[in-house]
Amino acid sequence: QQQVKQSPQSLIVQKGGISIINCAYENTAFDYFPWYQQFPGKGPALLIAIRPDVSEKKEGRFTISFNKSAKQFSLHIMDSQPGDSATYFCAASITGANNLFFGTGTRLTVIP
Amino acid sequence: DGGITQSPKYLFRKEGQNVTLSCEQNLNHDAMYWYRQDPGQGLRLIYYSQIVNDFQKGDIAEGYSVSREKKESFPLTVTSAQKNPTAFYLCASSYLGSSPLHFGNGTRLTVT
Repeated sequence: QQQVKQSPQSLIVQKGGISIINCAYENTAFDYFPWYQQFPGKGPALLIAIRPDVSEKKEGRFTISFNKSAKQFSLHIMDSQPGDSATYFCAASITGANNLFFGTGTRLTVIP
Repeated sequence: DGGITQSPKYLFRKEGQNVTLSCEQNLNHDAMYWYRQDPGQGLRLIYYSQIVNDFQKGDIAEGYSVSREKKESFPLTVTSAQKNPTAFYLCASSYLGSSPLHFGNGTRLTVT
């Protein structure tokens, strides 16, 4: 079963708009929630990550919002740019464990 | 520059042949991982290793084998027992028991 559920599968946003990708999980033992960005033909690269002791983390135009009670977290990309067009994966893990559970990915296209 | 090198980038094999994918890292990471990426399914863990000469099965280990004779190297063999081997294979590494994962740029294997 999918440990982390991600939506939408694909997203088209106008340049300058806000891109929002959502993820949900069931395992309350998860305590690390990273987001990865992947360009075609490349491996994923860590974009931003959050732990459940905070409800929001911002790095530049990228913000993670975390709702522990709802077991949901989301990535917001402000002022989306064509260069942000990529596939985004959310993930979750337990600190000290060796498996990072990935969502199924969201293909973001930012239209100029 | 430190990083993970996967080779080759593209690999073509006939059904029934074993094939070995190379992964080398110079990040001095203890842990190394192999993931398989299929469209719409995210990344799934095949095998991981925390230390030389030791490795553990991930979620989809059937039909695959690995070795870890050196800290820097973690080759993956896709055997003829793997029923659907055509996929994008990603190698990753990290410090022991922690994230983030650093990924290579993948090997796309096509078996016909």
